[in-house]
Amino acid sequence: NAGVTQTPKFQVLKTGQSMTLQCAQDMNHNSMYWYRQDPGMGLRLIYYSASEGTTDKGEVPNGYNVSRLNKREFSLRLESAAPSQTSVYFCASSDTGGPVSEQFFGPGTRLTVL
Amino acid sequence: QKEVEQDPGPLSVPEGAIVSLNCTYSNSAFQYFMWYRQYSRKGPELLMYTYSSGNKEDGRFTAQVDKSSKYISLFIRDSQPSDSATYLCAMSDGYGNKLVFGAGTILRVKS
Repeated sequence: NAGVTQTPKFQVLKTGQSMTLQCAQDMNHNSMYWYRQDPGMGLRLIYYSASEGTTDKGEVPNGYNVSRLNKREFSLRLESAAPSQTSVYFCASSDTGGPVSEQFFGPGTRLTVL
Repeated sequence: QKEVEQDPGPLSVPEGAIVSLNCTYSNSAFQYFMWYRQYSRKGPELLMYTYSSGNKEDGRFTAQVDKSSKYISLFIRDSQPSDSATYLCAMSDGYGNKLVFGAGTILRVKS
């Protein structure tokens, strides 16, 4: 099992460009998440999907959109990138067997917006 | 004020030392407490998970929760260079499986 995979690993964008970050999990989890990690800020939730077909905003959703393509895949789109979106982006997934389940994280995408 | 406060460090200790990592929080609804470990340029991995107040031990690691003080701790005994990583506390009120993370503490264990 690969767990949670993310593509690309690295990306450099110019201000105003768009891109989609891809995430897939092979653990048959219902819930998937997108976080960003900035120095001194920890992990902040951008969007999450409790189950296939549903998505909800997290703490910092502005400037992002998501698509839960199917149970395995959850993508994050930046429509018009800004330097403030320079960050490391992590995708995670979890089962929903209890009130709070372990989240499994991917290796991250390092994004720089010039 | 952030919901979860965590000293970012770095914390540098000699091999074999006892390490204490801490977080404070403001939301009294938090009931589920986790510690994640993140190695450099990797994703976080769950290390410890506790519910409500009390202690939980797993090998060299002990997680402690004091809900009355809104304070959680992670103790590492006999620390090893392989423990060098960033340690993130995370907590939840149990609704929606959403976690609130601390900023993470960078730990360096010197051999």
